[in-house]
Amino acid sequence: DAGVIQSPRHEVTEMGQEVTLRCKPISGHDYLFWYRQTMMRGLELLIYFNNNVPIDDSGMPEDRFSAKMPNASFSTLKIQPSEPRDSAVYFCASSLAPSDQFFGPGTRLTVL
Amino acid sequence: AQKVTQAQTEISVVEKEDVTLDCVYETRDTTYYLFWYKQPPSGELVFLIRRNSFDEQNEISGRYSWNFQKSTSSFNFTITASQVVDSAVYFCALSGSSETGNQFYFGTGTSLTVIP
Repeated sequence: DAGVIQSPRHEVTEMGQEVTLRCKPISGHDYLFWYRQTMMRGLELLIYFNNNVPIDDSGMPEDRFSAKMPNASFSTLKIQPSEPRDSAVYFCASSLAPSDQFFGPGTRLTVL
Repeated sequence: AQKVTQAQTEISVVEKEDVTLDCVYETRDTTYYLFWYKQPPSGELVFLIRRNSFDEQNEISGRYSWNFQKSTSSFNFTITASQVVDSAVYFCALSGSSETGNQFYFGTGTSLTVIP
C-alpha cells in the first residue's frame, strides 16, 4: 500500500514567490494534518482536516499560509508570499481517528 | 493542557549499551493515546508504537521496549543492545480525545547517537 505522498520533496524558491506543497493521504483515512518542523520550534501542527473540512487552523502562522482539501485524496498548503523564515520541513500526515498518524516523507522548503 | 516533555535533548551511548529515553506527559483527558516516532537522519518520521490510556502493560518488540506508568505520567522507551542504526531523533507524542480532537502534541525530541 502506498503511504502518504508529498510533493515536491525539495523546493527552493526566492522570497516573495508563491509556494504550493501537495499531499495525498492514505486511501480511507479521513483525517489529514499539516505540520512544520524547524530546529527552533520542533514539530508544529499547522492545520488539520476531517472529512475534507478544516477543523483547527490555529497553528497557521499568518495569513500568508492557506490550506485546502478539495477532496479526500488531495490537499495543498500554500504560502504566498514566501519569506526566508518559512524555510522548514513540512510534513503531511493522515489517520483514521483516533489511531496512528502516518507521516509522509516531508517537503524541505528553502526560501532564499 | 496537553503537553509532552522529553527532558533529554541529546544522548550518546556506545554500541551494545542499553539506553532509556524518557517521556512525561500532561493531559486532562481520561482517554488518550501515547506514541513514539523515530526520525532517522534521512528525515522521515517512522511510527514505532501506540499505547492507549487503558492499557498499562509494558510492550516489547525485539530490542525495543516501552514502559507506561499512569501514576507518574510517563511513557519511557528503552533500546536494548543499541546499534548504530538506532541513531536518530526520537519523538514522544500525545493524542487526546476530547476538545483536543485528534491533535498530536509532540515532545521536543531526544537525539540519540550510538557510537560504534
